[in-house]
Amino acid sequence: KNQVEQSPQSLIILEGKNCTLQCNYTVSPFSNLRWYKQDTGRGPVSLTIMTFSENTKSNGRYTATLDADTKQSSLHITASQLSDSASYICVVSPRNFGNEKLTFGTGTRLTIIP
Amino acid sequence: AAGVIQSPRHLIKEKRETATLKCYPIPRHDTVYWYQQGPGQDPQFLISFYEKMQSDKGSIPDRFSAQQFSDYHSELNMSSLELGDSALYFCASSSGGAPEAFFGQGTRLTVV
Repeated sequence: KNQVEQSPQSLIILEGKNCTLQCNYTVSPFSNLRWYKQDTGRGPVSLTIMTFSENTKSNGRYTATLDADTKQSSLHITASQLSDSASYICVVSPRNFGNEKLTFGTGTRLTIIP
Repeated sequence: AAGVIQSPRHLIKEKRETATLKCYPIPRHDTVYWYQQGPGQDPQFLISFYEKMQSDKGSIPDRFSAQQFSDYHSELNMSSLELGDSALYFCASSSGGAPEAFFGQGTRLTVV
């Protein structure tokens, strides 16, 4: 069983609308959680990174939340744009700095339509 | 700003051949990670290096080896290639003192 589960697997929304992606993890111990955007065939690009003590972090139109008690995170995208079409991957780091092995989620494929 | 550089971007090899993938981390980054991403799959951790020493090992086949050199660049050597080795291979780098990992654009390896 994957230690980082994401939902939905895929999502299609109209340009300009908002959406929320979910991530549940069981990785322990837990150091930090990241959200990446990955265009097809390209390397993941970091959107946000949060430690266990942070509840929310924003990066432009992207806002991530983290509940370390329930081991859940969400990524909220506001006013979606066509360029937001990509896979969004939740990544958890189990240890702290320098020697970490990232655990990748299953990803959500987001498609923005005009 | 300088990013993680991987070369080549695309590589086509025949079965049983050997391939070498290169990764140049962001300047002053001392940690390098290698990931393999099959079609439609999430990246799988292969191996990592910290200060030129192997720091962690994941699902890397025995046919693969890797090392980090004195200038911190890393090479992933893949021998006796199989069709199933066809994938995107990502390299990421980070500084030991920070949790952020930056990914390269990847090398697409196709084994025919």
